[in-house]
Amino acid sequence: QKEVEQNSGPLSVPEGAIASLNCTYSDRGSQSFFWYRQYSGKSPELIMSIYSNGDKEDGRFTAQLNKASQYVSLLIRDSQPSDSATYLCAVNWGGYNKLIFGAGTRLAVHP
Amino acid sequence: EADIYQTPRYLVIGTGKKITLECSQTMGHDKMYWYQQDPGMELHLIHYSYGVNSTEKGDLSSESTVSRIRTEHFPLTLESARPSHTSQYLCASSERGQETQYFGPGTRLLVL
Repeated sequence: QKEVEQNSGPLSVPEGAIASLNCTYSDRGSQSFFWYRQYSGKSPELIMSIYSNGDKEDGRFTAQLNKASQYVSLLIRDSQPSDSATYLCAVNWGGYNKLIFGAGTRLAVHP
Repeated sequence: EADIYQTPRYLVIGTGKKITLECSQTMGHDKMYWYQQDPGMELHLIHYSYGVNSTEKGDLSSESTVSRIRTEHFPLTLESARPSHTSQYLCASSERGQETQYFGPGTRLLVL
């Protein structure tokens, strides 16, 4: 089992719809969770971090965390073609100052 | 947001050459990281540093080496490049006490 798992996609949604991206992790000791966006050929850029169970909203983005289920998700409301990218879930690892990244979910928003 | 720079952005080099990939950050971050990422694949941590004179190997075995003589500078060196080293190399940094990592633009390496 991989430490951080994401569906590779592609996840295809129409413009204006809600995109839902999911991530599961295996280390119960993980306390910090991050979503990064990576456009093709570019480096990852931070979208959001979440540390507590529940929802955290930032503009069109909402991160959801459920530590009991070891599950973190990212919702993108009013999806735009410019949101088309690979979304990486990252989880801190065992109290160490390291992040483990999932392989990413490729999102395609079509007009 | 961190200002983190990598040079060169693209490098094409022949087998057996020695190369150094540069990474610098201007935010005074204590922690710095090197990742390797093949196209469409996940990031793999190859080296990290928690401060000056501190370096550790990451989760993915790599023939590269790193040094951290100054806080702002974390170069990666390959003594003898091979085609298997062809990849994208991403440098990141984070503040002491924080886990959020900020990435540089990356270096695309092609070894012929």
